[in-house]
Amino acid sequence: QVQLQESGPGLVKPSETLSLTCTVSGGAISNYYWSWIRQTPGKGLEWIGYIYYSGNTNYNPSLKSRVTVSVDTSKNQFFLELSSVTAADTAVYYCARGRHGYSGQFDYWGQGTLVTVSS
Amino acid sequence: DIQMTQSPSSLSASVGDRATITCRASQSISIYLNWYQQKPGRAPKLLIYAASSLQSGVPSRYSGSGSGTDFTLTISSLQPEDFATYYCQQSYSTPHTFGQGTNLEI
Repeated sequence: QVQLQESGPGLVKPSETLSLTCTVSGGAISNYYWSWIRQTPGKGLEWIGYIYYSGNTNYNPSLKSRVTVSVDTSKNQFFLELSSVTAADTAVYYCARGRHGYSGQFDYWGQGTLVTVSS
Repeated sequence: DIQMTQSPSSLSASVGDRATITCRASQSISIYLNWYQQKPGRAPKLLIYAASSLQSGVPSRYSGSGSGTDFTLTISSLQPEDFATYYCQQSYSTPHTFGQGTNLEI
């Protein structure tokens, strides 16, 4: 059974960089798309971007200037960096897998991690 | 970006009832429409992909239909575990976008 687990700081200061790791277990990271998605009470679910196992990326234009997603296939992990954060970036962050061959059908999700942006 | 609009925003129903949730896309998305269920404190769970295909392990009382801009999620006979929030999401183009959610309550 594939499992995803987010990890990283739960508190980030304004203007700093949010960094999260998603560790994939029970299956290979190869041949799939891997996404980051966040959820806030105000904006709902927002897709941040994806990385294909080979390293190709696609980002939400609303965040593109601040987002970097990377992958380490040897460790079965992928990563999110979001720079210059503000309170508006406070959210529950999820990592998710795209169904085989499809970037946008999310069949496995992590449990989510709350990141609060505050000084 | 493609805007996804769900209706209703909330729905009250009883166990055994049939529930229908609709989703409209701001432009044609063919059948690239997915449905998720989310319970409080949990991640969304994929129910239906490609408008009408049932994800493995999802009960057959769930069904989806539609194409183009108008889609429907139907739960044929509500069970206690079905009371949750439901989201539609388009995977036709990036950025992948979600509806605002429908809260299905008892």
